[in-house]
Amino acid sequence: GENVEQHPSTLSVQEGDSAVIKCTYSDSASNYFPWYKQELGKRPQLIIDIRSNVGEKKDQRIAVTLNKTAKHFSLHITETQPEDSAVYFCALEVGGGNKLTFGTGTQLKVEL
Amino acid sequence: DTGVSQNPRHKITKRGQNVTFRCDPISEHNRLYWYRQTLGQGPEFLTYFQNEAQLEKSRLLSDRFSAERPKGSFSTLEIQRTEQGDSAMYLCASSPGQGVLGQFFGPGTRLTVL
Repeated sequence: GENVEQHPSTLSVQEGDSAVIKCTYSDSASNYFPWYKQELGKRPQLIIDIRSNVGEKKDQRIAVTLNKTAKHFSLHITETQPEDSAVYFCALEVGGGNKLTFGTGTQLKVEL
Repeated sequence: DTGVSQNPRHKITKRGQNVTFRCDPISEHNRLYWYRQTLGQGPEFLTYFQNEAQLEKSRLLSDRFSAERPKGSFSTLEIQRTEQGDSAMYLCASSPGQGVLGQFFGPGTRLTVL
């Protein structure tokens, strides 16, 4: 089945710095790659996603890049703020509208 | 509130009891998903529905678990003869379907089995 590896498991940055989280996968049929932010005790929140026919997508301070050949995708957060502190999960889907397979999560801490 | 809602938010039960959770998806979302999340892990897929049809079930879903979506709107997840290993957050998500991707999660039901 699908397998997603996510790194790093924890990431600490200074406010204003950039943060990058990377996920690698094995199933070349994967065609949809969302990222979720989960604050403590709250629901996972979809923050950005990308389809396999696109290499990069940006939304204000966050961006996602996809390298289908190398089978990895990354989340980039620029100008980090304390409210960016949370656990971030990558995920992927094979097919259309099917189940998501999640990575193991990255605990991001933005320090003042 | 037009988001996904789940009830109850918390459930404490004794081992061996049955529990049932409810999920109300975003209006007009055709697809409804159930996931389970344990501490420090990402959500794990359990099952999903396209309208009232259950399209896929994970191997995680033992015979003690059953899910329904009888009218294609809300869904229920029942766990029979609960075990301590069932303790987790049970998350529901919905998506529009029809080629529109993106799953939106509810707040979850936290189950504690004593």
